[in-house]
Amino acid sequence: EPEVTQTPSHQVTQMGQEVILRCVPISNHLYFYWYRQILGQKVEFLVSFYNNEISEKSEIFDDQFSVERPDGSNFTLKIRSTKLEDSAMYFCASFPRTGGAEAFFGQGTRLTVV
Amino acid sequence: QQQVKQSPQSLIVQKGGISIINCAYENTAFDYFPWYQQFPGKGPALLIAIRPDVSEKKEGRFTISFNKSAKQFSLHIMDSQPGDSATYFCAATKGNEKLTFGTGTRLTIIP
Repeated sequence: EPEVTQTPSHQVTQMGQEVILRCVPISNHLYFYWYRQILGQKVEFLVSFYNNEISEKSEIFDDQFSVERPDGSNFTLKIRSTKLEDSAMYFCASFPRTGGAEAFFGQGTRLTVV
Repeated sequence: QQQVKQSPQSLIVQKGGISIINCAYENTAFDYFPWYQQFPGKGPALLIAIRPDVSEKKEGRFTISFNKSAKQFSLHIMDSQPGDSATYFCAATKGNEKLTFGTGTRLTIIP
């Protein structure tokens, strides 16, 4: 069964450092998303990406965040200057070509900012 | 208007019992209502989903009931098993837009 793959599974970083979270979506999917989940809380939308550009972003997704698809397969989330409150699980998700169907989520990257 | 409200926050059910989790939404433009199951340390996994043109969908022990006029939908888990112990999230979306998640229900099935 195809799956969304995220790396690393766990990243510890010092406050103020840059981190890049990586995702390999399912190959024929066209819509990509990043969500985050602060421990014990609900899953929150960060950004959606379609046709090599951001289609929607939440108020959480401020100037310190960026996304790109550098090589047509990987989908990355960069946090330029991490803050303590960025500590969370970050999930990548992709939708299939037909759209309107289920989102497939990766296993997540646990980001700990110290 | 984008909120999805979910209850209860936690639920303990005896093995073999019925687990019921409820959600309510506000945005009438939503046209797809999935339920996700999440085990500790894992990503959400789609469990079952429904569109508003039907009032009920059943897959094995899992059933979604949908009340369009009340803007409510619920997940029923029949014959609940210890392996069903997880956090369940309802969600709603329109087309390919972002999923709006409920706050989650931690379900524990006790022997």
